[in-house]
Order: sequence, then structure tokens, then C-alpha cells
Amino acid sequence: NAGVTQTPKFQVLKTGQSMTLQCAQDMNHNSMYWYRQDPGMGLRLIYYSASEGTTDKGEVPNGYNVSRLNKREFSLRLESAAPSQTSVYFCASSDGGAGNTIYFGEGSWLTVV
Amino acid sequence: RKEVEQDPGPFNVPEGATVAFNCTYSNSASQSFFWYRQDCRKEPKLLMSVYSSGNEDGRFTAQLNRASQYISLLIRDSKLSDSATYLCVVNRAAGNKLTFGGGTRVLVKP
Repeated sequence: NAGVTQTPKFQVLKTGQSMTLQCAQDMNHNSMYWYRQDPGMGLRLIYYSASEGTTDKGEVPNGYNVSRLNKREFSLRLESAAPSQTSVYFCASSDGGAGNTIYFGEGSWLTVV
Repeated sequence: RKEVEQDPGPFNVPEGATVAFNCTYSNSASQSFFWYRQDCRKEPKLLMSVYSSGNEDGRFTAQLNRASQYISLLIRDSKLSDSATYLCVVNRAAGNKLTFGGGTRVLVKP
């Protein structure tokens, strides 16, 4: 069972380069999320999409853009990478209700040099 | 003040012992509460939801105290495999935006 799949798993970027993190879920979930996790900071929400066709900013959206391509896919783009964006990125999905479980992808380790 | 706060630990626990730790939340409108477990370099996974009356799942017991705005997790008869970071997660119904605590690290030692 795939669940939430995100690519790439590891990436090294130079400052100023752009890249897109891809995420897909096969659970027919309405809501999808992008989080970043830094040591001592916990998981912080970058952007989320409550349903297909909608996206909203989370706690730390600056420097990122997202696209909810369809119900399955939610991509995160870094237009001009900065060292401060070195982090572990997790994509997640849920059915959308307040009490529903959120499922995470395995994470993408991004280093910006 | 952070919306969800946890003691980062680590809690060093002898195998077979009981360990408990709390998580405080600042938004009284919070409606749903969860404990997630995260192993080193892995994604978080749901451990258990936290219900108003408290709930138990095997060796794990979760409690919610709305008056004091905290949730707790107790692990009985700790196993080496319980070593992980435990994330407290709080959800406000509006917008369904989950807020994560920074995690409490638990190390179970022989």
C-alpha cells in the first residue's frame, strides 16, 4: 500500500536554484499538507489544501509555492532556494475532518548550500 | 508562547518502567488531540487519538485535561522499541490545521 509518496528523498541545491517536491496520495483524501521539520522546531505547516482546487498558507509559507494539481497530487516549489530552507519536508494527507488521522510521506531531505 | 508545548526530554527510562509526560496547548478552542510517534529519520505515525474521557491502547494511556489545557501520555512496562520521539498534535476544527508540538524524546534502556 503506497499511501503518501513523495519525491525526491534527498536533494542538494545551490543557493538560488529552483526545484519542485512532488507528492501523491492514493487514499482519496481531500486534504493535503506540506510541513517542514527542523531540529528543535517541530513540524511547521508551510501550505495546505483543504480540497482539490484550493490552497492556503500555513505558518511558514514565505519562499514556497504550491499546486494542487488534482485530488491525488500536491507539489511544493522552491523558486529560489536559500540555506534557511535546508530542512526535512513532509507531505501529508487526511480526510479533512477535525478528528481524522493525518498520514505522512517518508520525507524529503533538502540541503541548500 | 508556542501554541503547543512539550518537554523535549530526553526521558531516560529503564526497561519495564513507567514513563509519563505532558503537552500543553494554549488555544481553548482546540477540539481534537493526538499523540504521534516519530522514529529517527522517519515520518510521524499516529500512536493514538486522545478522547475526553481518556483512553487506553495496550500499554499506552492518554488523558485530556481541558480545564488546565494539557494532554498526557503514559507508557507502562516500557520496551526498548518504545524509544522514539512522541509528538503532541492539536487540531482546531476551523480550517483543520494541525499544530504539532516539538516532541518529547524517550530513550528506553536495558
